[in-house]
Amino acid sequence: QVQLQESGPRLVKPSETLSLTCIVSGGSISSYYWSWIRQPPGKGLDWIGYIYYSGSTNYNPSLKSRVTISIDTSKNQFSLKLSSVTAADTAVYYCARLQDQSDAFDIWGQGTMVTVSS
Amino acid sequence: QSALTQPASVSGSPGQSITISCTGSRSDVGSYNLVSWYQQHPGKAPKLMIYEVSKRPSGVSNRFSGSKSGSTASLTISGLQAEDEADYYCCSYAGSSTYAVFGGGTKLTVL
Repeated sequence: QVQLQESGPRLVKPSETLSLTCIVSGGSISSYYWSWIRQPPGKGLDWIGYIYYSGSTNYNPSLKSRVTISIDTSKNQFSLKLSSVTAADTAVYYCARLQDQSDAFDIWGQGTMVTVSS
Repeated sequence: QSALTQPASVSGSPGQSITISCTGSRSDVGSYNLVSWYQQHPGKAPKLMIYEVSKRPSGVSNRFSGSKSGSTASLTISGLQAEDEADYYCCSYAGSSTYAVFGGGTKLTVL
């Protein structure tokens, strides 16, 4: 059974770069799309972007200038970098598997709360 | 402001049926049969309940069903149970650039 686990700093200073990693266990990262989604406190879900195991990416246009998603198939993990963060980037960040045929997020990590504050 | 519009809250008594709407546009819900629905309990990750408008993943109760008419998708939960109390989010494919747009979420209360 595939499981996802996010890891990374829980506190990031304004203007710095947020970095998170998602480790995929119980299955291979290959042949799938992998995504990052975030949820500000008390608010709804916001798609950040996805990466295919081959390395091709697609980002939310509203975040595109600040987002980089990368993948390391040898370690079965993928990562998120969000630069120039502000308080508006404070959120629970989820990694998820994306089914390309149905465009549905079928497996999710437990999420990690990241706070942007000095 | 979310791209897809959902009611902020709905409620129902145990055993009843409720429907949650999700209104989009011709750019998303109206153009693609790629609407999914997610259930989220407090402090938990979302769980996929419906994909491709009306398909259920293995393990999801058949009390959950989905449909679509024009640019509005709907999630119906029949035979309401206490454990169904949660937030529900719709999501739609919106083209290769925007890709995925979510609704603002609906809080379901089981009375």
